[in-house]
Amino acid sequence: SYELIQPPSVSVSPGQTASITCSGDKLGDKYSSWYQQKPGQSPVLVIYQDAKRPSGIPERFSGSNSGNTVTLTISGTQAMDEADYYCQAWDSGTAWFGGGTKLTVL
Amino acid sequence: QITLKESGPTLVKPTQTLTLTCSFSGFSLSTSGVGVGWIRQPPGKALEWLALIYWDDDKRYSPSLKSRLSITRDTSRNQVVLTMTNMYPVDTATYYCAHSLTTVTTRFDYWGQGTLVTVPS
Repeated sequence: SYELIQPPSVSVSPGQTASITCSGDKLGDKYSSWYQQKPGQSPVLVIYQDAKRPSGIPERFSGSNSGNTVTLTISGTQAMDEADYYCQAWDSGTAWFGGGTKLTVL
Repeated sequence: QITLKESGPTLVKPTQTLTLTCSFSGFSLSTSGVGVGWIRQPPGKALEWLALIYWDDDKRYSPSLKSRLSITRDTSRNQVVLTMTNMYPVDTATYYCAHSLTTVTTRFDYWGQGTLVTVPS
């Protein structure tokens, strides 16, 4: 079994920078992805391979990997960014998701 | 344009087998690097990966559910089928299928709308 730990909630003021962390054993040796999920909707890939943005994802979304922690950073956070965010990584051929972080923009 | 859609029963009795179909368009499951995965989400809870079938028919399963899961593909019909045996109330969840792409690592870049499956207690 492999565990990815995320804070349950993060709050940010509009226009400020939000940082959501995800930690796991030797996570720095793996590649991580991040998914955004708004209420009642399917998840959307916002970051893959630690720091790459899929086509159509705004530049304000960025990712980094350091040590045992990966971080999703949203610069200039907008109200539309309020959502649940999940990190995901592969370990021993198995995909693992973090417990999710609810981002509140207030 | 890649689209995926899940179909199957909305209600499954305890101990029964669940069969879900993912119908997709806009890609071929024979293309190198492509896969289709299943992920579920109990109401109000986190995502949980279940299974993945790759372009070369390699299959991977969640270790905790491996004995109950089977994933197959019908390349000609553009469908992937997931079966889960011995359903319990704790298996009540929205089940998603997703297109995966493997380069350096595997990511789920397109998701279906999900289908809610309820197992009554």
